[in-house]
Amino acid sequence: KQEVTQIPAALSVPEGENLVLNCSFTDSAIYNLQWFRQDPGKGLTSLLLIQSSQREQTSGRLNASLDKSSGRSTLYIAASQPGDSATYLCAVFSPFMDTGTASKLTFGTGTRLQVTL
Amino acid sequence: KAGVTQTPRYLIKTRGQQVTLSCSPISGHRSVSWYQQTPGQGLQFLFEYFSETQRNKGNFPGRFSGRQFSNSRSEMNVSTLELGDSALYLCASRVTSGYEQYFGPGTRLTVT
Repeated sequence: KQEVTQIPAALSVPEGENLVLNCSFTDSAIYNLQWFRQDPGKGLTSLLLIQSSQREQTSGRLNASLDKSSGRSTLYIAASQPGDSATYLCAVFSPFMDTGTASKLTFGTGTRLQVTL
Repeated sequence: KAGVTQTPRYLIKTRGQQVTLSCSPISGHRSVSWYQQTPGQGLQFLFEYFSETQRNKGNFPGRFSGRQFSNSRSEMNVSTLELGDSALYLCASRVTSGYEQYFGPGTRLTVT
């Protein structure tokens, strides 16, 4: 059974700092890994998608890496801003055991980030 | 291109009632998945529909059901509501061959 863990659970940093969020998963048989952002009471916004054959993806100040063999991913946020304050969720897309079809995202519990002025 | 839309956004029901939630995927997306988010359990997979057929279902009781229409719009139904069904219900869509999922804003269900 796939399990996804995110560390730390919460993080508070001053504006301008670079930071790293960690994600680990137990089963390396994944198709891809996706990082999401969730603002309070809102839906999920996709930030980055890394295919299992890729090592990293970049979008603006965000960089995500994937080490499938060790079951780890990191999300690097450069020059953090107060607008980055949100919960960040990591999710792996892996085969659904009963049918073998890839249709299920397993989520971590998230890292709640607060960027202070 | 419009994103995933969900209606209603907020819903208050009493125990024992039933509820139907609706999700309209991004145009051209044929797969719709549903997830439940609660403070205690986090985000959990409910089921996925593709071309009007349920492909997979998560570990939820039979009170949770869904369907998908020919235009890819999907509905989720919960019968005999329990207090523990209070949650944010999110739907996500993806294109047939791609795996990136796009989420809607969710429906906040409160059961009293």
